Amino acid sequence: DVKVTQSSRYLVKRTGEKVFLECVQDMDHENMFWYRQDPGLGLRLIYFSYDVKMKEKGDIPEGYSVSREKKERFSLILESASTNQTSMYLCASSKGVVQYFGPGTRLTVT
Amino acid sequence: DQQVKQNSPSLSVQEGRISILNCDYTNSMFDYFLWYKKYPAEGPTFLISISSIKDKNEDGRFTVFLNKSAKHLSLHIVPSQPGDSAVYFCAASPINSGNTPLVFGKGTRLSVIA
Repeated sequence: DVKVTQSSRYLVKRTGEKVFLECVQDMDHENMFWYRQDPGLGLRLIYFSYDVKMKEKGDIPEGYSVSREKKERFSLILESASTNQTSMYLCASSKGVVQYFGPGTRLTVT
Repeated sequence: DQQVKQNSPSLSVQEGRISILNCDYTNSMFDYFLWYKKYPAEGPTFLISISSIKDKNEDGRFTVFLNKSAKHLSLHIVPSQPGDSAVYFCAASPINSGNTPLVFGKGTRLSVIA
């Protein structure tokens, strides 16, 4: 069974804080993705990575950065959290087309 | 510009009846399509997929139909059950490779009423 885990299910941070969201997969997948989900907007791709130390911008990378130092781990960083980054953050990994998602992190920025 | 569109934000269906969720796409380079199901406070789970060389794929109560000429696909759930109540996302891929991110629709919330 594919397992994608995310470091926190719920997180509350203050405006201006630096926030780290961690994602780990145990299936040796090359590809990893970060999305955010907002009502009425669906899943929007923030960043993705198809190899260690590689990263590509998705549709909405502004205000975010990522790190992939090891194959199994893909981190999303909010350099200076803002209230408009309050959202559900979803990590996924894949080897082929099918992406497997983690349980999500509900981030609230106050 | 949305390349994958789910024009119905929500759908209500009686338990036991058929649920039909629709998805349209604009990019003729898409050749692999997927449906995901998402419960609140959980990540999406893969449900069923179809390659462009087929027009139908069936898995238990779930069937996906693809009409390439119309650039349209649909997910049929028969019979619908209350546990099917969730948000369903349609997704498309231009090539059969994980290096190219999936393009997702905005989702359709299905409510199955007992």
